[in-house]
Amino acid sequence: ETGVTQTPRHLVMGMTNKKSLKCEQHLGHNAMYWYKQSAKKPLELMFVYSLEERVENNSVPSRFSPECPNSSHLFLHLHTLQPEDSALYLCASSQEAGYEQYFGPGTRLTVT
Amino acid sequence: AQSVAQPEDQVNVAEGNPLTVKCTYSVSGNPYLFWYVQYPNRGLQFLLKYITGDNLVKGSYGFEAEFNKSQTSFHLKKPSALVSDSALYFCAVRDQTGTALIFGKGTTLSVSS
Repeated sequence: ETGVTQTPRHLVMGMTNKKSLKCEQHLGHNAMYWYKQSAKKPLELMFVYSLEERVENNSVPSRFSPECPNSSHLFLHLHTLQPEDSALYLCASSQEAGYEQYFGPGTRLTVT
Repeated sequence: AQSVAQPEDQVNVAEGNPLTVKCTYSVSGNPYLFWYVQYPNRGLQFLLKYITGDNLVKGSYGFEAEFNKSQTSFHLKKPSALVSDSALYFCAVRDQTGTALIFGKGTTLSVSS
C-alpha cells in the first residue's frame, strides 16, 4: 500500500464503548497528525507527533487519547464519547512537522 | 494572531472559464502557504505550496497560485475549469511554532457544464 491508510473507514459506537482508530503511513515521514472535521466547521487539529513525541495538543478532551508507537503508526483511542464527537477523523503525515501534509481517507465516526 | 481567511463559502464557474479561489493570511515572518483539495468522503489532497522564490507556483491538475506579499494573499487559479474540479478547497499556512498548519474554513468550487 502507498500513502496514508486509515482503519476502519466507518465506525458506529455507543457512548460507553471503547474503540481505536488506526493510521499508517508508508511515506517514510517523521511527523503525524490527527484532525477532526465536522460539518460546517473548520478543520480542527487535535494532536501532532514528531519523531514519535507529542509536540502539540490543542486542548482536546481526555476521552481522546493518542498513541504513536513508531514513526509509521498512529492511533486514536476513544472512550466515553459524546454525540457531538461524531465527525470525520483525518490522519496526516509530513516529512517534518510543519511541512506539506499527506492525508488518509478518514474514519467516519458516529456516536449514538 | 495567526489566521487564514477564505472569504467565499462557494465559487461557481462555467466549464472552460478561468477560476479563482481566494485566500488571505496573517502570520509573522515569511509564510509557508499551501492549497489542498477535498473530494466527497475523501481526505485532503495536497495541490501546491509556496515557501520561497517565484511568486507564481504551479501545482497538480493544472492549478497554480499567486503569492502577493503586500496583499498577504495566496489565491488559487486555473485558466480553464473542468467539471471534475468541483470540490472543497482549503488554504493553509504554517503556524509560528513551525509544527502545524492552520487551515481556512474551505471554499466549495462548483463547475457547471
